[in-house]
Amino acid sequence: DTAVSQTPKYLVTQMGNDKSIKCEQNLGHDTMYWYKQDSKKFLKIMFSYNNKELIINETVPNRFSPKSPDKAHLNLHINSLELGDSAVYFCASSQRQTYEQYFGPGTRLTVT
Amino acid sequence: GQNIDQPTEMTATEGAIVQINCTYQTSGFNGLFWYQQHAGEAPTFLSYNVLDGLEEKGRFSSFLSRSKGYSYLLLKELQMKDSASYLCAVDSGGYQKVTFGIGTKLQVIP
Repeated sequence: DTAVSQTPKYLVTQMGNDKSIKCEQNLGHDTMYWYKQDSKKFLKIMFSYNNKELIINETVPNRFSPKSPDKAHLNLHINSLELGDSAVYFCASSQRQTYEQYFGPGTRLTVT
Repeated sequence: GQNIDQPTEMTATEGAIVQINCTYQTSGFNGLFWYQQHAGEAPTFLSYNVLDGLEEKGRFSSFLSRSKGYSYLLLKELQMKDSASYLCAVDSGGYQKVTFGIGTKLQVIP
């Protein structure tokens, strides 16, 4: 069984569009995350969500908005996509905030 | 702020031993993670050090010196499948405070 899953795996879209990436974990973890990995392979955290509390990274543009319908899901919605948003987006979860994180397979977003 | 340094690339020979260093300067410190990431795949957890010293797990060992802000990952009996990026990540406490380094791309050659 897949522990952390993301859909879609690949996403190609044009500038200005709005898109969503979905993430689900079946590990019963309390904390979920979104990361962005750019072309230089630098993995940077965007958001973490611990139970009902969302922690926003202030460097993330407000075009990015996470949504968590329940503890097992953390979706990422992106408005007005820009070329610089092209990257691989990883979802992850952990039992608690400082425990090892389990990553999803990633979503490769290409904005043209 | 957070500052994590590790070499960007390393090359080692199959069967050999390689040490990947990581130095950090962070506003807080709870522990240090090492993750492995193969090309095109997700990072996977290798180790988490909280206390000073060496922790061994099979062919992989991780060392931490909190006073020096220093860690290393030691890979023994290198195999071709160990070719990957190795990410050092510092848990500096508080919310979402796990900061990743740039990663060290290790190439294992025959």
